Amino acid sequence: AQSVAQPEDQVNVAEGNPLTVKCTYSVSGNPYLFWYVQYPNRGLQFLLKYITGDNLVKGSYGFEAEFNKSQTSFHLKKPSALVSDSALYFCAVRAGGGGFKTIFGAGTRLFVKA
Amino acid sequence: GAVVSQHPSWVICKSGTSVKIECRSLDFQATTMFWYRQFPKQSLMLMATSNEGSKATYEQGVEKDKFLINHASLTLSTLTVTSAHPEDSSFYICSARAGFMEEPQHFGDGTRLSIL
Repeated sequence: AQSVAQPEDQVNVAEGNPLTVKCTYSVSGNPYLFWYVQYPNRGLQFLLKYITGDNLVKGSYGFEAEFNKSQTSFHLKKPSALVSDSALYFCAVRAGGGGFKTIFGAGTRLFVKA
Repeated sequence: GAVVSQHPSWVICKSGTSVKIECRSLDFQATTMFWYRQFPKQSLMLMATSNEGSKATYEQGVEKDKFLINHASLTLSTLTVTSAHPEDSSFYICSARAGFMEEPQHFGDGTRLSIL
């Protein structure tokens, strides 16, 4: 069965410091991987995706993510965090082995302190 | 681009009434639309998937007679919660995807439903 794990419920980081939000997955077949961000009382906003090609993917708002096939990970990163980055982040995976149904992780709450 | 509009954003109604939520893709044609339910501090729970002109596919445990989904066009899907009760109170989010599997899903801003 397909699954996505976000091992941290919450990540705290100081403004200006680099941030990492972790994601690991388990699928059959080649994965399509996505990161979304959710602000309070809003829907999810698409940040970036990995389909194929370069393992380092750049997305919106200065975020990037690195696909690591051997570790089945797709961690979200940003070199310098902003207070406005504080939100709920979801990792998602889609693969043929799961009928191409998108599976979302449980979410990681990011707090960036000024 | 890729804007999804969801209305209403907030609904408060009495137990027993039916509530309709609309989801529109404003600048793209959505071959597939999804309806999710999100509980506080939890992830998204997929309720159903619909393709334009076809019957929706409901996830296990979701009552199709309770949650009626219509996807009449490539830009509009509706979710009707019939005879709503307090336990149906939740945050409902629609999502739409253009094209095939490489495309990300785009989300509406959600509807907070409160049944008194």
